[in-house]
Amino acid sequence: AQKVTQAQTEISVVEKEDVTLDCVYETRDTTYYLFWYKQPPSGELVFLIRRNSFDEQNEISGRYSWNFQKSTSSFNFTITASQVVDSAVYFCALSEAQGAQKLVFGQGTRLTINP
Amino acid sequence: DAGITQSPRHKVTETGTPVTLRCHQTENHRYMYWYRQDPGHGLRLIHYSYGVKDTDKGEVSDGYSVSRSKTEDFLLTLESATSSQTSVYFCAIRKTSTQETQYFGPGTRLLVL
Repeated sequence: AQKVTQAQTEISVVEKEDVTLDCVYETRDTTYYLFWYKQPPSGELVFLIRRNSFDEQNEISGRYSWNFQKSTSSFNFTITASQVVDSAVYFCALSEAQGAQKLVFGQGTRLTINP
Repeated sequence: DAGITQSPRHKVTETGTPVTLRCHQTENHRYMYWYRQDPGHGLRLIHYSYGVKDTDKGEVSDGYSVSRSKTEDFLLTLESATSSQTSVYFCAIRKTSTQETQYFGPGTRLLVL
């Protein structure tokens, strides 16, 4: 069975600090997808990134970066120079690469950026 | 804008009452999903559909049924609502045009008294 663990329930930092959100996953599939979604206080779910299991290149998008390490089954998310607008709940998710591609979510990490 | 709407957005109902939530998409995507979000659990899959009249169960399907008679609509029914079904319900579509990514509707907040 697939499983995603986000051990950090809540994180609180001061604006401009860097912060890393951890995600560890379990799967027996050889090919799979990993995702991060953001849920701001308004409640919608916003897609941030999708990563294929065969592509371990790290990705950077502005202040956001993602570190995928198959050896440790981790897909961590770093926000550099955090801003108040980054305050949200962040979810890591995993899906099979074939068929229904059902998403399995972690419990979420609530990130608060204080001014 | 993912082209997904959910109705109603908020609903309060009583235990034992049937409830139907609607998910509507404007882009004719084949796969649609229903998830529920509860504190401490993230989101969990209830049911999904892979075409008109083609549906299957997810992780937490007990007490729920679904129907898809048209490509654009995916209905979730609670036959007899219970307090444990108080939750936020999200519909999602899978866009193959954007590397097989699921995009979510705005959610329906359901309170069962």
